[in-house]
Amino acid sequence: GQQVMQIPQYQHVQEGEDFTTYCNSSTTLSNIQWYKQRPGGHPVFLIQLVKSGEVKKQKRLTFQFGEAKKNSSLHITATQTTDVGTYFCAVHHNNAGNMLTFGGGTRLMVKP
Amino acid sequence: DADVTQTPRNRITKTGKRIMLECSQTKGHDRMYWYRQDPGLGLRLIYYSFDVKDINKGEISDGYSVSRQAQAKFSLSLESAIPNQTALYFCATGVTFSGELFFGEGSRLTVL
Repeated sequence: GQQVMQIPQYQHVQEGEDFTTYCNSSTTLSNIQWYKQRPGGHPVFLIQLVKSGEVKKQKRLTFQFGEAKKNSSLHITATQTTDVGTYFCAVHHNNAGNMLTFGGGTRLMVKP
Repeated sequence: DADVTQTPRNRITKTGKRIMLECSQTKGHDRMYWYRQDPGLGLRLIYYSFDVKDINKGEISDGYSVSRQAQAKFSLSLESAIPNQTALYFCATGVTFSGELFFGEGSRLTVL
């Protein structure tokens, strides 16, 4: 089936350091969504990117969609302990009907 | 009160038992989904439904069945539970093809 690879699987940073997670697909994507799941919680929608080359910001979070619509990244500037959790990308593939496929997630741990 | 409610939140059962996980929503959304979460594998789609008469298989439907009893209710059944179905199960709702998903709190199932 359709797959989306997300790296890294884990990232441990010192508070104040930056963090980036990447999502890659071998096929062209219709759009990409990003979710955050706090420890013990449920995934919560952060943002959706639709256009080629799109960049969106939410405070310290910057989301990018690749020019070829096959990859995306989430960058957090100056991490805080409140950023702890697992970040997932989720994609609709052009040829995969209505299924939303999630990446494996990147678990972010922040040391105070 | 949560907009997407799952019951039970935790369940321990034995191999071969029939289990039903229930999901109800007050958001008025037509689309409902069941996902399974395993460590490192992200969320995998089991079944989804776009209205009461519509049921679709996801990535990993074998061993599961669903019932869409009403617009607001979508239940997941394991007819004969097996240990590798031990996981965290999430129900989600959505509005449009490419819109965000709203997740319930999750149901943790352990099959001994």
